[in-house]
Amino acid sequence: QQQVKQSPQSLIVQKGGISIINCAYENTAFDYFPWYQQFPGKGPALLIAIRPDVSEKKEGRFTISFNKSAKQFSLHIMDSQPGDSATYFCAASIGDSSYKLIFGSGTRLLVRP
Amino acid sequence: SAVISQKPSRDICQRGTSLTIQCQVDSQVTMMFWYRQQPGQSLTLIATANQGSEATYESGFVIDKFPISRPNLTFSTLTVSNMSPEDSSIYLCSVRLAGRETQYFGPGTRLLVL
Repeated sequence: QQQVKQSPQSLIVQKGGISIINCAYENTAFDYFPWYQQFPGKGPALLIAIRPDVSEKKEGRFTISFNKSAKQFSLHIMDSQPGDSATYFCAASIGDSSYKLIFGSGTRLLVRP
Repeated sequence: SAVISQKPSRDICQRGTSLTIQCQVDSQVTMMFWYRQQPGQSLTLIATANQGSEATYESGFVIDKFPISRPNLTFSTLTVSNMSPEDSSIYLCSVRLAGRETQYFGPGTRLLVL
């Protein structure tokens, strides 16, 4: 299965709160899991990425948690800010010659002041 | 990272016509891709643009509808042929740099077909 399932579809968080977005996959050949942030009218921008040999990666307020046995990974945004309001996409790829990205369905995050 | 530009940034076209979208990168990249993002939806890979050879298309996309060229390492075009309103989408190119797993995306071309 080449799908990546993402939830929730939309999320509303108060300023200063924690935003959590979850993704799940079936294909155990996936070995690279990036998260992209997209603002209206812009192309997706890489936020943070992880490989399955680590369980957690943190960059500033953004953390990826990875559960290889459950085939799940999640994005945590700590101290969420109104400027974080955007659409977030998880993705997965296989590091063979194709490097194709399979995207989740996206999560619209709104952070209220 | 890489600086990616796309032209045009947006266009409104009549059904039955064709539009060619250009993607230019400021550095040599190993791989270039074209994605489609329908309104409010996720990204779907159309094809991998191969330098000097035919593009590799994903299931559901064909060369007659989406011809792609990549004459060198920094430039590619995607043509949307014989357009219908269902082709109204954002078309994005992305690139992968040598030795890097990350794909970087261009700003997109917003296409509306009437």
